Amino acid sequence: ETGVTQTPRHLVMGMTNKKSLKCEQHLGHNAMYWYKQSAKKPLELMFVYSLEERVENNSVPSRFSPECPNSSHLFLHLHTLQPEDSALYLCASSQDLARGRNGELFFGEGSRLTVL
Amino acid sequence: GDSVTQMEGPVTLSEEAFLTINCTYTATGYPSLFWYVQYPGEGLQLLLKATKADDKGSNKGFEATYRKETTSFHLEKGSVQVSDSAVYFCALSSYNQGGKLIFGQGTELSVKP
Repeated sequence: ETGVTQTPRHLVMGMTNKKSLKCEQHLGHNAMYWYKQSAKKPLELMFVYSLEERVENNSVPSRFSPECPNSSHLFLHLHTLQPEDSALYLCASSQDLARGRNGELFFGEGSRLTVL
Repeated sequence: GDSVTQMEGPVTLSEEAFLTINCTYTATGYPSLFWYVQYPGEGLQLLLKATKADDKGSNKGFEATYRKETTSFHLEKGSVQVSDSAVYFCALSSYNQGGKLIFGQGTELSVKP
């Protein structure tokens, strides 16, 4: 098993669909993150969870809804998305928030989302 | 606010060439600086880091020196290989944003045999 696993790897959805991205970490970490990676743009931090509590929400539109049922799993629920939301969504984890700030992030391979 | 600027890609080099990828930053205080690498089809991996001025981070033949006077953290490697083809991200840990990692836009490197 790899450290951080994301599913699905690819997702195509219409603007009226509802779908979810899943992230699972097998590292025993306490903090998990969602990032958005768009072409030619810096990675954008979307959400941060520590011990299943959301600690950061960077002005992300409400059409993105995160959920962290336990410290090993993180979801990103998607509904009524726009074409400009098409991107690679990366999940990451860290031992704790302090180590995350120290750059010790472990990333998944990402979920490539296309919104038609 | 704090920010990171990287040189535009893609960068195309022949095997065994010398690599430099420029990174400059704007930040309050004394941030830690990082380079991440993203191989095709994979997530980002921490490549190296430096936590204070004049520190040199190194790993897998790559090096970067924290230059406070020029606010730079350029990535270098003396002899690149085809397997180094990837996207490289410079990042800083933002003191005035609670330690949040601020990333550059990434620089794609392609190494030809």
